[in-house]
Formats: sequence, C-alpha cells, structure tokens
Amino acid sequence: GAVVSQHPSRVICKSGTSVKIECRSLDFQATTMFWYRQFPKQSLMLMATSNEGSKATYEQGVEKDKFLINHASLTLSTLTVTSAHPEDSSFYICSAKLTGEGASLDTQYFGPGTRLTVL
Amino acid sequence: QKEVEQNSGPLSVPEGAIASLNCTYSDRGSQSFFWYRQYSGKSPELIMFIYSNGDKEDGRFTAQLNKASQYVSLLIRDSQPSDSATYLCAVNWGGGFKTIFGAGTRLFVKA
Repeated sequence: GAVVSQHPSRVICKSGTSVKIECRSLDFQATTMFWYRQFPKQSLMLMATSNEGSKATYEQGVEKDKFLINHASLTLSTLTVTSAHPEDSSFYICSAKLTGEGASLDTQYFGPGTRLTVL
Repeated sequence: QKEVEQNSGPLSVPEGAIASLNCTYSDRGSQSFFWYRQYSGKSPELIMFIYSNGDKEDGRFTAQLNKASQYVSLLIRDSQPSDSATYLCAVNWGGGFKTIFGAGTRLFVKA
C-alpha cells in the first residue's frame, strides 16, 4: 500500500506555543489529504480536508484560525496548532488519498500519527 | 446526516474462532467500503476494501457487502490474539469525495 509519513511522532510543548505537524505522501501524489484528531478511547474525528493549492475545508466546530492547514505541494500538507492549550492534547493523524477511478484509488492511507501533549 | 454504525463491542472470541464484525451505513449511494484495523495508540491501517456485492477474501479476512441491505461485514478466520484491536468500517459517499468512519468495534481474541 501507499506510504504516508508524519513528523514529529511525538511533541510536548508549553501552553501558548505553536506546533507544526507535517504529513507526507512518500510514494504517490495526493491531491487530497485529511487531518483527524483522536482522543483516548474515542473514534476518529475529521478536522479538515486539505486540497493541494487551495484552502482547506474545515469540519463544523473546528476553528480554522487555530488549526492552520497548508497543502503546498502534492506530497506535503502541514497542520499548525496555534497557541496550543492543554485541551488540544490529542493524537493527530493525517491521511492521504489516491484519487481516480476505482475504489483502490479512493482509499485513504494513514500516517503513523503525532501525539501532542500541551503542558 | 450520513452515518456509519458499528457495535462498539467489545467483541470477545476465543483463539482460532471466527470473528464477525458488522457495519451498516445510511447512504444508499455509497460505492466504496473499507475496513481498517487500529491498535491502541497507533493509527489505522487498511485491511481491505470492497465495492461489489458479495464476498472478497484476502488471507484470513473476508469482507462481505450487501448494498440492498446497506450492510458490510468483516470475517476473521482463525482469530489470533494479535488480531485484538479496534476495527473501523469506512464508507465513501458523494462520488468518493468524502469518507465516513464508524466509531469502531473493539475485538478481543482470548488465548
């Protein structure tokens, strides 16, 4: 399957700082990437859809000014958590999608996730 | 509201048994269906996808799709303790533009 990487895998920061998370598709071009958040023992929550070369589409209730998404190339999307607070501590996961004909090309491949802890 | 529903479990099966995981979806126009496995503290990994009615087999896994009943399932044969994880059902709708994930079913395979 397609490979998606995320960096960093784990980050601990002080309250008020900003944290940038990178998501890369390593062996394919992804016009669409997704950002999810998952709290312990809860399901995936889609935060936003990131489209290469255009503004991200945010889900209801997700503050776009707090979670800045940039998808500047076909292989890289970044999520910046601005002015992070302890309640932002979570597991952030990106995924990338091959688009085109056929279900195999509609599959989302997930990165390994980034565990954010805000002190 | 597009929905994908799964029994949260936990589903407990003995080692060597067949584990049956079920999923229903609300959008009759959905075309693509996926099963992911997620170990605790890890991100989801794709097990398989299916888009035609019937069964699709891959090793010990079989996905079953019934579009008329809006039902997709995953069977795991010869369950192993290493299969213990949360299994996520996902459904594409809107021409594949958006994927809706179920909340997942926790599976425990007892040695």
